[in-house]
Amino acid sequence: DAGVIQSPRHEVTEMGQEVTLRCKPISGHDYLFWYRQTMMRGLELLIYFNNNVPIDDSGMPEDRFSAKMPNASFSTLKIQPSEPRDSAVYFCASSPGTGPNQPQHFGDGTRLSIL
Amino acid sequence: AQSVTQLDSQVPVFEEAPVELRCNYSSSVSVYLFWYVQYPNQGLQLLLKYLSGSTLVKGINGFEAEFNKSQTSFHLRKPSVHISDTAEYFCAVSRMDSSYKLIFGSGTRLLVRP
Repeated sequence: DAGVIQSPRHEVTEMGQEVTLRCKPISGHDYLFWYRQTMMRGLELLIYFNNNVPIDDSGMPEDRFSAKMPNASFSTLKIQPSEPRDSAVYFCASSPGTGPNQPQHFGDGTRLSIL
Repeated sequence: AQSVTQLDSQVPVFEEAPVELRCNYSSSVSVYLFWYVQYPNQGLQLLLKYLSGSTLVKGINGFEAEFNKSQTSFHLRKPSVHISDTAEYFCAVSRMDSSYKLIFGSGTRLLVRP
C-alpha cells in the first residue's frame, strides 16, 4: 500500500517567494495533519482536516501560512511570503480517525530552506 | 497544558547492549503515551503506545516501555540493540479528550556502534 506522499522532498528558495508543499494522504483516511519540525521548537501540529474541512488551525504560526484540502486525496500548505525562519521540515500525516487506536501515518517530509 | 521531557539528546551504545531512553511528562489530566521512531530522511513511525491496563507495553522491533504514574515516566527499553536501531526516538502524549493532538518531546538520538 502507498503511504502518505509528500512533494517536493526538498525545496530551496529565496525569502519573499511563495512556497507550496503538497500532500497525498492514504486512501480512505479521513483525517489529515500538517506538522513542522525545527531544532528549536521540535515537532508542532500546525493544522488538521476532517473530511477536507479544517478543524483546528490553532498551530498555524501566522497569516503567511495557509492550508487547503480541495479533495480527499490532496492537500497543500502554502507560505507567502516566505521568511528564513520558516526553514524546517514539514510533515504531512493521515489517519482513519482521531482515536488513540488509529495512529497517524507520516510522510517522509519536505525539507524547506529559505535563503 | 501537557509537556514532555526527554533528558538525553543523544545516547551512544554498542551493538547488542541494552538501552533505555528516558521520557517524563507533565499533565494535569489523564493522557495517552506514545513512542515514535524516525529513521534518517523519513517520517515518524509508531513504536508503541500506552492507553490503559498493564503498565508494561510491547511494541515493534523488540522495544518495550513501562508507564509509571507516580514518577510520570514512560521509559523505552530494548534488551539488545542492533545497528539498524540507529534513529531518532520521540516520546509523545495526548489528552484523552483530544487524542489526535500529540505533544512531542525534543527527541533522543540513539546511536548504535559496532
